[in-house]
Amino acid sequence: GAVVSQHPSWVICKSGTSVKIECRSLDFQATTMFWYRQFPKQSLMLMATSNEGSKATYEQGVEKDKFLINHASLTLSTLTVTSAHPEDSSFYICSARDQTSGFDTGELFFGEGSRLTVL
Amino acid sequence: GQNIDQPTEMTATEGAIVQINCTYQTSGFNGLFWYQQHAGEAPTFLSYNVLDGLEEKGRFSSFLSRSKGYSYLLLKELQMKDSASYLCAVMDSNYQLIWGAGTKLIIKP
Repeated sequence: GAVVSQHPSWVICKSGTSVKIECRSLDFQATTMFWYRQFPKQSLMLMATSNEGSKATYEQGVEKDKFLINHASLTLSTLTVTSAHPEDSSFYICSARDQTSGFDTGELFFGEGSRLTVL
Repeated sequence: GQNIDQPTEMTATEGAIVQINCTYQTSGFNGLFWYQQHAGEAPTFLSYNVLDGLEEKGRFSSFLSRSKGYSYLLLKELQMKDSASYLCAVMDSNYQLIWGAGTKLIIKP
């Protein structure tokens, strides 16, 4: 199956700093990638849809100036948490659909996730 | 509104069979997914149903009834490693995934 790589897996930062998380599709092209956040014992919450070459689409309640998304190529999307605060501590997961062949099965391939702890 | 319902937690015994139900109400339907998620890890794909009926894949099977807005995931010959959360997700008419809150499955020896 298709592989999505996410980096870093773990990050600890001080309050007020910015953190960048990368999401790469290793063996397929992904015009669209999705960024999720998951708090302990809760389900995935879609934060935004990242579109290659255009602006991301943010879900209601997600601050676009705080969670900066860049999708500069067909295989890379980045999420930057700016001026992070303790309440931003969470598990961030990216996913993508294999759209290389033009036939999209709808199956989501997930990255390994990035656990952010803001002190 | 759009809604996915599944039990919060279930307990089963190693070697037994367990059925995890999922009911949904969404604007349109383009398929239902089941994902497995171990604690601290990202979800992994288990199954995809878009037509009514049962799809079998090894120890896991998934069933769909579109008229009833209902699906279940059946796990047979349970193993301790099956202890995880199982997420039901429906793709709506806009091809957006609507996620259930997940069912935490606890396997006891």
